Amino acid sequence: GAVVSQHPSWVICKSGTSVKIECRSLDFQATTMFWYRQFPKQSLMLMATSNEGSKATYEQGVEKDKFLINHASLTLSTLTVTSAHPEDSSFYICSAPARGRVDEQFFGPGTRLTVL
Amino acid sequence: GEDVEQSLFLSVREGDSSVINCTYTDSSSTYLYWYKQEPGAGLQLLTYIFSNMDMKQDQRLTVLLNKKDKHLSLRIADTQTGDSAIYFCAEIPTSGTYKYIFGTGTRLKVLA
Repeated sequence: GAVVSQHPSWVICKSGTSVKIECRSLDFQATTMFWYRQFPKQSLMLMATSNEGSKATYEQGVEKDKFLINHASLTLSTLTVTSAHPEDSSFYICSAPARGRVDEQFFGPGTRLTVL
Repeated sequence: GEDVEQSLFLSVREGDSSVINCTYTDSSSTYLYWYKQEPGAGLQLLTYIFSNMDMKQDQRLTVLLNKKDKHLSLRIADTQTGDSAIYFCAEIPTSGTYKYIFGTGTRLKVLA
């Protein structure tokens, strides 16, 4: 089946630094990808929709200047957490729908971000 | 609203059946999903059901959908210790998009 990878799988950074997380669709093209955030013992919350070749669409309450999304190719979307703070520590998961199919979506393994 | 509710915790003995329940609020959802998340890992799609179905069975998994009550359940037969994980139901409330709304998650613990 289709695979979505994320890199890195975990990262620890100092407060105030920026962190980039990559999401790749390995054997299929994805014009749309999604970024979710999951706090410990909580559900996944959609942060934004990443659109290849155009601006991302952010959910209400998500700061677009803090969470920069770039979808430069049909297989890669990046999420950059700028000026990270401890409250940004979370598990970030991306997903991509199978092209042309609304009933199937593939999730990456997640990236655990810890901001000290 | 778009809240999808699940009970937080379920504990069963190995070999018993597990039933995980989900209540959703958007009756227009076309697809409803069940995902499994093991500790520190991403989500694994277990199964999904189309809204015009009442039941779907896939090996040890049985999904029941009651559209009138907006209730979705996942039954796992012969539950094994490897089934211990968090289970999320999810819906796509907006037709024509891929935007999921996830449930609050049910932590299943299987006792040997």
